[in-house]
Amino acid sequence: SQQGEEDPQALSIQEGENATMNCSYKTSINNLQWYRQNSGRGLVHLILIRSNEREKHSGRLRVTLDTSKKSSSLLITASRAADTASYFCATGPRANFNKFYFGSGTKLNVKP
Amino acid sequence: DVKVTQSSRYLVKRTGEKVFLECVQDMDHENMFWYRQDPGLGLRLIYFSYDVKMKEKGDIPEGYSVSREKKERFSLILESASTNQTSMYLCASTIGAGFQETQYFGPGTRLLVL
Repeated sequence: SQQGEEDPQALSIQEGENATMNCSYKTSINNLQWYRQNSGRGLVHLILIRSNEREKHSGRLRVTLDTSKKSSSLLITASRAADTASYFCATGPRANFNKFYFGSGTKLNVKP
Repeated sequence: DVKVTQSSRYLVKRTGEKVFLECVQDMDHENMFWYRQDPGLGLRLIYFSYDVKMKEKGDIPEGYSVSREKKERFSLILESASTNQTSMYLCASTIGAGFQETQYFGPGTRLLVL
């Protein structure tokens, strides 16, 4: 399957610490996106990184993409209790523009 | 800000009932999607639409149909609800012709079929 696989499935940290989540995928992609989902809510787009980009920043978020390893990481620096949520990576396969796959997510708990 | 709204946050229906879930977006997006989200399975695409009156099956269309009579509105229909359709349903939209661009999601509808 093209689905991204997030790792770890669950992560618990203290407020102020950094949180790192990883995503691996199987086939060549056009882009990779990260989304956040607060409990029982819809998904919110965080960052889109294209296949020719290696790193992107947005506020306290840093995303890297390594196409040779077919993996991406999402780093949240100086985490806050409000960052508690599930984080999903989603991939757009190069072979099919009409496909878009979400992983099963990493559940992040930031303890105050 | 893009806004995607869904008609209900929570729904409880009985087996065999016809169920309508409505989604409205206010940014003139061409593409609209219906997903269902189940624990451990992530998001799975049910149907999508790239234009008014146009629809395409996603990965799990069985037991569902859709309607897009106006560009801003995309409805998901469960013709005869079954207990295995108990799930979280998420609507999303994207601008332009790209399927793989940023997806804007509604808040979700949690459906319980008894």
